[in-house]
Amino acid sequence: DTGVSQDPRHKITKRGQNVTFRCDPISEHNRLYWYRQTLGQGPEFLTYFQNEAQLEKSRLLSDRFSAERPKGSFSTLEIQRTEQGDSAMYLCASSLMGTGLSYEQYFGPGTRLTVT
Amino acid sequence: GENVEQHPSTLSVQEGDSAVIKCTYSDSASNYFPWYKQELGKGPQLIIDIRSNVGEKKDQRIAVTLNKTAKHFSLHITETQPEDSAVYFCAANSNDMRFGAGTRLTVKP
Repeated sequence: DTGVSQDPRHKITKRGQNVTFRCDPISEHNRLYWYRQTLGQGPEFLTYFQNEAQLEKSRLLSDRFSAERPKGSFSTLEIQRTEQGDSAMYLCASSLMGTGLSYEQYFGPGTRLTVT
Repeated sequence: GENVEQHPSTLSVQEGDSAVIKCTYSDSASNYFPWYKQELGKGPQLIIDIRSNVGEKKDQRIAVTLNKTAKHFSLHITETQPEDSAVYFCAANSNDMRFGAGTRLTVKP
């Protein structure tokens, strides 16, 4: 257990519905990342936050996706009007970036989304 | 942007043998190279990493080597055990982390 938690662990939804996932990072970590992982592939970067600021978004993050980290602690990822192609594992990771330039990212267990 | 290629996609070894997984990257600005182990139904677990100012790093049965000139890095697992069976991912970090497609390692008892 890395200390990063995600909720829910599994989500089944019908096409067109909205879904929201939550990530709680390791408490002292100031960076939080979202990734998407499809079967047989490595994680693909979606976006990351430093404290409450969203600093980078991948072109994979369509307009239907939005992420927030309002108080610089937990984060939510919302997908609006879900499509079958959104079915994947959504992974959250956190890291501590400081003067020591620590890059280690620690992943949570993921939320598996199935869109029917 | 960064592109990471990983080989082989599957690897089967006998318990006690060594396993080697290789990755190449494209962005010369990448300066951090972690390796993750992922078991079924779990998130990736960081097992070892190496930074661009180091050529080799070892932690018990696991070692990683980095050749910056050739832009490739490798994971070496010695004395493999059945519990080493998992999917292993390499990654390279410049502006963001890019992962390889993974290697499914099976250690036969």
